Amino acid sequence: NAGVTQTPKFQVLKTGQSMTLQCAQDMNHNSMYWYRQDPGMGLRLIYYSASEGTTDKGEVPNGYNVSRLNKREFSLRLESAAPSQTSVYFCASTTGTESGNTIYFGEGSWLTVV
Amino acid sequence: TQLLEQSPQFLSIQEGENLTVYCNSSSVFSSLQWYRQEPGEGPVLLVTVVTGGEVKKLKRLTFQFGDARKDSSLHITAAQPGDTGLYLCAGGTGNQFYFGTGTSLTVIP
Repeated sequence: NAGVTQTPKFQVLKTGQSMTLQCAQDMNHNSMYWYRQDPGMGLRLIYYSASEGTTDKGEVPNGYNVSRLNKREFSLRLESAAPSQTSVYFCASTTGTESGNTIYFGEGSWLTVV
Repeated sequence: TQLLEQSPQFLSIQEGENLTVYCNSSSVFSSLQWYRQEPGEGPVLLVTVVTGGEVKKLKRLTFQFGDARKDSSLHITAAQPGDTGLYLCAGGTGNQFYFGTGTSLTVIP
């Protein structure tokens, strides 16, 4: 059972370049999320998708776009990378039901923008 | 805006000692989770608590959800080097999850 799979694991970009982080889950979850994790800042929500066909901004959406391609896949795009976007990015998913909701994470993508 | 505050931020203790990590908020959550994260990996769920006042035990780990569902604590008894890691609390409300800044625990053999 793969759970939440995200690619690439590591990426170095030059300022101004674009790239897409891919995420897929095989748990038939309705909701999917993209977080970034920075030292001393915890996990901050970039965008989320409550269900297929919907996306919403989180705490730190500026500089990012997302696509919920289907129920399984949720991608994060950086159109013009900036050094401030150097971070570890985590994709996650949940069933979306209210009580006892549990969020499952991918292994992370380490992005460096130089 | 950080909805969940964790304390302490860093903790270094000797093997065999006990410790408590706190997660506090002014917001009410429908559920609260604790995660443990090791370097180079994503957070892994330890426990979910949903009822105010609930206490759950997982071997040497004891989790408590505050009566008002705004805060939680994680107590580790007789810490071991394998407990070393970043501990994160997360409050769930609807489809959203808000994470604390984390407590970095180091257990020295």
